[in-house]
Amino acid sequence: QKEVEQNSGPLSVPEGAIASLNCTYSDRGSQSFFWYRQYSGKSPELIMFIYSNGDKEDGRFTAQLNKASQYVSLLIRDSQPSDSATYLCAVMRGKLIFGQGTELSVKP
Amino acid sequence: DARVTQTPRDKVTEMGQEVTMRCQPILGHNTVFWYRQTMMQGLELLAYFRNRAPLDDSGMPKDRFSAEMPDATLATLKIQPSEPRDSAVYFCASAWGNVIDTQYFGPGTRLTVL
Repeated sequence: QKEVEQNSGPLSVPEGAIASLNCTYSDRGSQSFFWYRQYSGKSPELIMFIYSNGDKEDGRFTAQLNKASQYVSLLIRDSQPSDSATYLCAVMRGKLIFGQGTELSVKP
Repeated sequence: DARVTQTPRDKVTEMGQEVTMRCQPILGHNTVFWYRQTMMQGLELLAYFRNRAPLDDSGMPKDRFSAEMPDATLATLKIQPSEPRDSAVYFCASAWGNVIDTQYFGPGTRLTVL
């Protein structure tokens, strides 16, 4: 079992819809969680981090964390074609452990 | 505009050749990471340094890979000899102090070993 698991996708949503990206992790002791966005051919960039159970909102992005279920998600409201990218979930365990990423495609 | 720089951006080489990749972290950042990204394995940490000292290189194949920080503004990753399975994108990232959860990635070096 991988430490951080994501559905590789691609996840396709129409413009204006909510995109929901999911991630599970295996180490119950993990404390902090991150979402990176990576456009094709580019480097990852941090878009959200969350430490506590519940929701954290930043503009159109909401990160959700459920430590009991070892589950973290990223919601993107009013999805735009410019959101089309691969989204990497990462867990901090002394160092960042990344999932394989979920490819998101937002169709106009 | 502070950013991490990496050279070269692309490298094509033949099996057995030595490859050196360079990274200049953001000025003032004292923690530097080397990652490798492939389709099969995703993004993996190879090694990281703080204040130029290696803290973790457990992800790096020791027999052929080496990483150093000759000074605070330069990190190098060397592969000798290179093999086709080393073909990947190598990213350098930097961070400040103990805030290693906020890492800034460079543009990457795309390595192809024929």
